[in-house]
Amino acid sequence: NAGVTQTPKFRILKIGQSMTLQCTQDMNHNYMYWYRQDPGMGLKLIYYSVGAGITDKGEVPNGYNVSRSTTEDFPLRLELAAPSQTSVYFCASSSGTTLRGQYFGPGTRLTVT
Amino acid sequence: QKEVEQDPGPLSVPEGAIVSLNCTYSNSAFQYFMWYRQYSRKGPELLMYTYSSGNKEDGRFTAQVDKSSKYISLFIRDSQPSDSATYLCALDQGAQKLVFGQGTRLTINP
Repeated sequence: NAGVTQTPKFRILKIGQSMTLQCTQDMNHNYMYWYRQDPGMGLKLIYYSVGAGITDKGEVPNGYNVSRSTTEDFPLRLELAAPSQTSVYFCASSSGTTLRGQYFGPGTRLTVT
Repeated sequence: QKEVEQDPGPLSVPEGAIVSLNCTYSNSAFQYFMWYRQYSRKGPELLMYTYSSGNKEDGRFTAQVDKSSKYISLFIRDSQPSDSATYLCALDQGAQKLVFGQGTRLTINP
């Protein structure tokens, strides 16, 4: 049971490039989330999904897109990368039972220069 | 006004000290209160959760919620160097979406 896995661990992008951050969970969780964490700023919700085929915007969705074609996978797409998207990105999943919390992946460190 | 306020620290205490970490919030709709621990360069992990006002204890950790004051706390007794991490409070209205505090960076000095 690997939990939540994310690839890549690190990435440097040039301004204007695009990339997809991969996230996979093997816990059969319906809920999945993407967050970004800037230094000293806590976690901000980018997008979330309550099940395959259903996604919705979080607090900071601009510049990102998501899809959820399977229960296991929830990729995050960055189009036209900007320096403001330099951050650490975390994917998380949950069963939907609030008090069991969310399970987080190890994160992807992204730098846009 | 931010929905959740947390002092980012850093906080540095000697081993064995009692640590108090706090968050305040503004939205009375929050029903679920959690604390996450995040070690350096790792993802957050759920440490404790509470649903109502009052105390909940788990080993050396105690979570306290005061809904009337919109104030939540995490106490760590007999702190250990392995407790050095960033602690984030997280609140949920019941919609499966968490609102996080900024996180408090804690260092326990041997």
